[in-house]
Amino acid sequence: DQQVKQNSPSLSVQEGRISILNCDYTNSMFDYFLWYKKYPAEGPTFLISISSIKDKNEDGRFTVFLNKSAKHLSLHIVPSQPGDSAVYFCAARDDTDKLIFGTGTRLQVFP
Amino acid sequence: DVKVTQSSRYLVKRTGEKVFLECVQDMDHENMFWYRQDPGLGLRLIYFSYDVKMKEKGDIPEGYSVSREKKERFSLILESASTNQTSMYLCASSFHTGGASEAFFGQGTRLTVV
Repeated sequence: DQQVKQNSPSLSVQEGRISILNCDYTNSMFDYFLWYKKYPAEGPTFLISISSIKDKNEDGRFTVFLNKSAKHLSLHIVPSQPGDSAVYFCAARDDTDKLIFGTGTRLQVFP
Repeated sequence: DVKVTQSSRYLVKRTGEKVFLECVQDMDHENMFWYRQDPGLGLRLIYFSYDVKMKEKGDIPEGYSVSREKKERFSLILESASTNQTSMYLCASSFHTGGASEAFFGQGTRLTVV
């Protein structure tokens, strides 16, 4: 049973607009959440994270929101740029330090 | 700058072969991970190690084993490669729990079993 879910396999957004990527989880013991970005034939690169004791973390164009009661987090990218086109993975860390990943959302930013 | 290095970018192996995938990190991280990435399935954890000689099964350990004899090196072993193990394999490492301990990934190994 998937503990971390990304229900949208793909998202297409116009350049300059907001991209919103969503992630749901089931395990209330997760203490840390992370977003990774992945280009083809490369390893994922860390983007932004949030502790379970916070509800928002911002880094430049990227903001992550956490709603613990709904077990939901989202990544906002504003403004979206063509270079943001990639696969985005949501991940959650459990109390043994394991990182559990979602299935990914492919973001395409078009001009 | 953190570096996680996987020994091969591309590998082609025959069914039944024993396959070794090597991963080395240079940041003195305690934790090391092996994942595989398949279309539509995301990154699935195969094995996790939190210290030398320590290992834990992930979600899909069947057909795989691991070895961690030194802190910086984590090896994934396919005992008898099968075609359903054709995949992108990704190694990662991180510090033990404590704040922003994000995992850093290697460049990946694309394994094809024929």
